[in-house]
Amino acid sequence: DQQVKQNSPSLSVQEGRISILNCDYTNSMFDYFLWYKKYPAEGPTFLISISSIKDKNEDGRFTVFLNKSAKHLSLHIVPSQPGDSAVYFCAASVGGGADGLTFGKGTHLIIQP
Amino acid sequence: GAGVSQSPSNKVTEKGKDVELRCDPISGHTALYWYRQRLGQGLEFLIYFQGNSAPDKSGLPSDRFSAERTGESVSTLTIQRTQQEDSAVYLCASSLMSSAETQYFGPGTRLLVL
Repeated sequence: DQQVKQNSPSLSVQEGRISILNCDYTNSMFDYFLWYKKYPAEGPTFLISISSIKDKNEDGRFTVFLNKSAKHLSLHIVPSQPGDSAVYFCAASVGGGADGLTFGKGTHLIIQP
Repeated sequence: GAGVSQSPSNKVTEKGKDVELRCDPISGHTALYWYRQRLGQGLEFLIYFQGNSAPDKSGLPSDRFSAERTGESVSTLTIQRTQQEDSAVYLCASSLMSSAETQYFGPGTRLLVL
């Protein structure tokens, strides 16, 4: 049973527009959520995180929103740039530790020129 | 090097053979993790080493999988009697502490079992 779900395998967005990537989770014990970005033939790199005590965290063009009641989080990228084309993984943990980190299947974001 | 390195980058093997995958973590990182990513799937946690503590092996899918770490340096993941379902990208990560935000991933080893 998947505890972290990314239901869109791919997403295509025009350059300059907003990209919204979604993630749902089922385990109520998760209290820390992360987004990773992965280019082909490279390992994932940490992008942004949010603790369950917050509902929004912003870092430059990247904002993560958390809706605890809906067990849903989203990553907004605005404006989208060609270099943002990558696979984005949502991950969740209990307590922020890396052990036991649970990942979604990823969403392949394609930024169209 | 500055990052986590893994070798080989690609490995093709025949079903039933043993394979050994290597991870060189960032120097000084006490925590080391192995993950597996099968095609179309997310990353699956396999095993976690923290300093000299006993490793957390809770993610290993079967007793054909084992891993070792020498002190706080190199780790090897061994898969015995490989099966086709073992085909995946095996990713290693290390971190200075155990927090997810400080985790740095290697480029992975792409394993194909024929």
